[in-house]
Amino acid sequence: QKEVEQNSGPLSVPEGAIASLNCTYSDRGSQSFFWYRQYSGKSPELIMSIYSNGDKEDGRFTAQLNKASQYVSLLIRDSQPSDSATYLCAVRVPSGGSYIPTFGRGTSLIVHP
Amino acid sequence: GAGVSQSPSNKVTEKGKDVELRCDPISGHTALYWYRQSLGQGLEFLIYFQGNSAPDKSGLPSDRFSAERTGGSVSTLTIQRTQQEDSAVYLCASSLGTGTSGNTIYFGEGSWLTVV
Repeated sequence: QKEVEQNSGPLSVPEGAIASLNCTYSDRGSQSFFWYRQYSGKSPELIMSIYSNGDKEDGRFTAQLNKASQYVSLLIRDSQPSDSATYLCAVRVPSGGSYIPTFGRGTSLIVHP
Repeated sequence: GAGVSQSPSNKVTEKGKDVELRCDPISGHTALYWYRQSLGQGLEFLIYFQGNSAPDKSGLPSDRFSAERTGGSVSTLTIQRTQQEDSAVYLCASSLGTGTSGNTIYFGEGSWLTVV
């Protein structure tokens, strides 16, 4: 089982809809959870970080963390075509006394006009 | 610098040659990470530095890969005797620390390596 799992998609939503992206992780000792956006041919850019259970909102983005269920999600409200990209979930996983940022394979999001 | 800087941005090399990839992290960031991303694939962790030491080298795919960091700043990833399967984008990232705050990692633009 991979440490960080995401549905590869593609997830297709109409413009203006809510896009819901999900991520699960296997190590209960994991701390610090991140969502990155990656456009084709570009490097990942940070969208949000979340450290404690519950919701965290930033503009059109809401991250949700449930440590009991080992689940983190990202909601994108009022989706725009410019949101079309691959969304990467990252989790700091314990490894040899450190916490290594470990990435899921990403979910491809397509927002169609 | 303002962001993570990587060089070269693109490198085409012949199979069997050695290559060096360089990363200059954000000023003041003590932690530095190397990842590899093959076409259409996820990010594969290679190695992590805290200061000049590398507590975790578990991701290096073979003994042809090595990395060093000097002066707690610039890092070099070296691939010896390159193979075609080494073709990928090599991403460097840095973070202020590794604790529960200031541990967000920021990426450079990557070094695109093609082995022919």
